[in-house]
Amino acid sequence: ETGVTQTPRHLVMGMTNKKSLKCEQHLGHNAMYWYKQSAKKPLELMFVYNFKEQTENNSVPSRFSPECPNSSHLFLHLHTLQPEDSALYLCASSHALTTGTQTSYGYTFGSGTRLTVV
Amino acid sequence: AQRVTQPEKLLSVFKGAPVELKCNYSYSGSPELFWYVQYSRQRLQLLLRHISRESIKGFTADLNKGETSFHLKKPFAQEEDSAMYYCALPNQAGTALIFGKGTTLSVSS
Repeated sequence: ETGVTQTPRHLVMGMTNKKSLKCEQHLGHNAMYWYKQSAKKPLELMFVYNFKEQTENNSVPSRFSPECPNSSHLFLHLHTLQPEDSALYLCASSHALTTGTQTSYGYTFGSGTRLTVV
Repeated sequence: AQRVTQPEKLLSVFKGAPVELKCNYSYSGSPELFWYVQYSRQRLQLLLRHISRESIKGFTADLNKGETSFHLKKPFAQEEDSAMYYCALPNQAGTALIFGKGTTLSVSS
């Protein structure tokens, strides 16, 4: 699959579990993002990585822990989640300008991971 | 603070009718604005951005700074235009996009 690939597509986890979401892109982009999409809510920005450095944490609870080992891979580590964390988690990537702003180029999105916390 | 408002949750039109999906924004300065689209069972994808002044799949959008709007228009809707449409603009830091709640467009014959 080309573009931005997210795995797994679906995940059901208990509140005491630890799991990780993976995002991978081979588009030559160097900015990557996690968004949360809940029913009846707009897409919520969670984290931004620019050249592997986290440049934004949008007041996300510590039970979500991102990791960006290189410009092509992004992880979201999950532990002790709550049922209200059930949502579609979207990864996106874009070109990053050296000044740290990325928005001029638009995003490429993955298909998302549908997470259900039971 | 920057904000994107899409006032319509659902817009239903007949095939061949004109379409206008509304987007209003609040932003300090001159924003870049985007429209994204999500067709059924497909991922969210970029439809158009105002800086390129493109027409994609017959859709256009003009930035109106006086009315702080970036409405998406198409003169003649097609059934394949049925999808969820999101308006987006950068956050104030310019590090990421923020999105509206989206409008579902339903085109029927």
